[in-house]
Amino acid sequence: DIVLTQSPDSLAVSLGERATINCRSSQSVLPSSSNWNRLAWYQQKPGQPPKLLIYWASTRESGVPDRFTGSGTGTDFTLTISSLQAEDVAVYYCQQYLSGPATFGQGTTLEIK
Amino acid sequence: EVQLLESGGGLVQPGGSLRLSCAASGFAFSSHAMSWVRQTPEKGLEWVSGIGGRNQDISYVDSVKGRFTISRDNSKNTLYLQMTSLRAEDTAVYYCARFRGDSYGYDFDFWGRGTLVIVSS
Repeated sequence: DIVLTQSPDSLAVSLGERATINCRSSQSVLPSSSNWNRLAWYQQKPGQPPKLLIYWASTRESGVPDRFTGSGTGTDFTLTISSLQAEDVAVYYCQQYLSGPATFGQGTTLEIK
Repeated sequence: EVQLLESGGGLVQPGGSLRLSCAASGFAFSSHAMSWVRQTPEKGLEWVSGIGGRNQDISYVDSVKGRFTISRDNSKNTLYLQMTSLRAEDTAVYYCARFRGDSYGYDFDFWGRGTLVIVSS
C-alpha cells in the first residue's frame, strides 16, 4: 500500500499569515499515462466529516476559497493557505487514489497562534 | 443538493453483526462508485470498502475481508455495509463517501456525517 506522511503533525500560524502543510508519498502517485497526480486534500473540523478541498493535487473544489492552493507532483505535495482565517482551524489530510486501497496521511492539526 | 445519510450504527458485542445503510439523494447514484471509510483517533482515516456504480469492482481492506460485505441498491439509492464477526478494532465512525466518478481512480467529493459503531462487551 502507498504510505502518505504529512508534516508537520501540528502547526500554529497567526491570522493572516501563510500556512504550509506537506505530504510525502512512499511512491509516485502520477500515473505513467497521465499528467494528473492522484492526490487530494481534505479539511476536517470537529464533529464534521472531511471536506474535499483539492483534487488532482492542484484543482480547487468548487466553492473552496482561493486562499487554498495545492501543489507538487510525483511524491511530494504541499497544501498552502495563503492568509489564515479563523475558520481554517481544522485537521488537514492528504489522500492518494492511484492504486490499491485509497490511503490517507495521518493528518496535520492547524491552530491559530 | 447532494446528501449522504448513514444509519445503523450502535453498540454491539464482539462477534456480533451490524448493517450500515447510506441513503443518497441529489445526484445520479448509479453513476458514482461509493465507499465506506472509517475513522478512529488511533488510526485516523481508513478506507474500508468500495463498489462501482453498477455493482462492479467490489473491494475491501484486508482487515475486513471475509467479515464485511458491501452492496448497493440503485433502485433505492442506498449503499450498505453488512458487518459480521465484529471485533473491538472495528470500533470507529463509519462514513459513506462518494467517488467523483464511477471508479476508484477519483477523490471522495462528498461524505456523509458518519455513524458510530462501538464493539464492546
